[in-house]
Amino acid sequence: DAGVIQSPRHEVTEMGQEVTLRCKPISGHDYLFWYRQTMMRGLELLIYFNNNVPIDDSGMPEDRFSAKMPNASFSTLKIQPSEPRDSAVYFCASTPGTSGSNEQFFGPGTRLTVL
Amino acid sequence: QKEVEQNSGPLSVPEGAIASLNCTYSDRGSQSFFWYRQYSGKSPELIMFIYSNGDKEDGRFTAQLNKASQYVSLLIRDSQPSDSATYLCAVTGTASKLTFGTGTRLQVTL
Repeated sequence: DAGVIQSPRHEVTEMGQEVTLRCKPISGHDYLFWYRQTMMRGLELLIYFNNNVPIDDSGMPEDRFSAKMPNASFSTLKIQPSEPRDSAVYFCASTPGTSGSNEQFFGPGTRLTVL
Repeated sequence: QKEVEQNSGPLSVPEGAIASLNCTYSDRGSQSFFWYRQYSGKSPELIMFIYSNGDKEDGRFTAQLNKASQYVSLLIRDSQPSDSATYLCAVTGTASKLTFGTGTRLQVTL
């Protein structure tokens, strides 16, 4: 199993540009999570999906952020327009949801820098 | 008050010693408790989870949970330089949603 796959691994963009982050969860996992990690705020949950349906998006900071999961094997997190304060590492994670442990498996992350 | 609180550290322990990492949480309805390890520049990986009050041991790691005090800890025995990392405490309720602490940085010195 390849694990959770994220792309790109690094993204450098200029303020005002649109940024799209991509995630492929582990096959068979029903839950997908998007997190943002910064030194100041730690690891924050942005949104999570169950069976491709958004369940809780209360962590999405503002309307500039949007996430979709068109099918069980693909999700995107979009920031439009991007701002320097969006610079962070964005992680995607998935879990079967029925494992009992609720262990979440994290992807390698996308390091976003907004200039 | 943050939902999950940890001392940011760094916690420095000599090789071979016991490292004790602590975490408190505010939601009394929390049901599951997790310890993740994160090396610099890498993604978090699960070390242990615990549901019930008491201790749970796995190799050199022991997780301790006290729901009455809303306190969970991780003990690392015979600490090794390879244990140097940031340790994240996370809690969850009935859903699969995890709330993370900001992490404690552990340094194991030679």
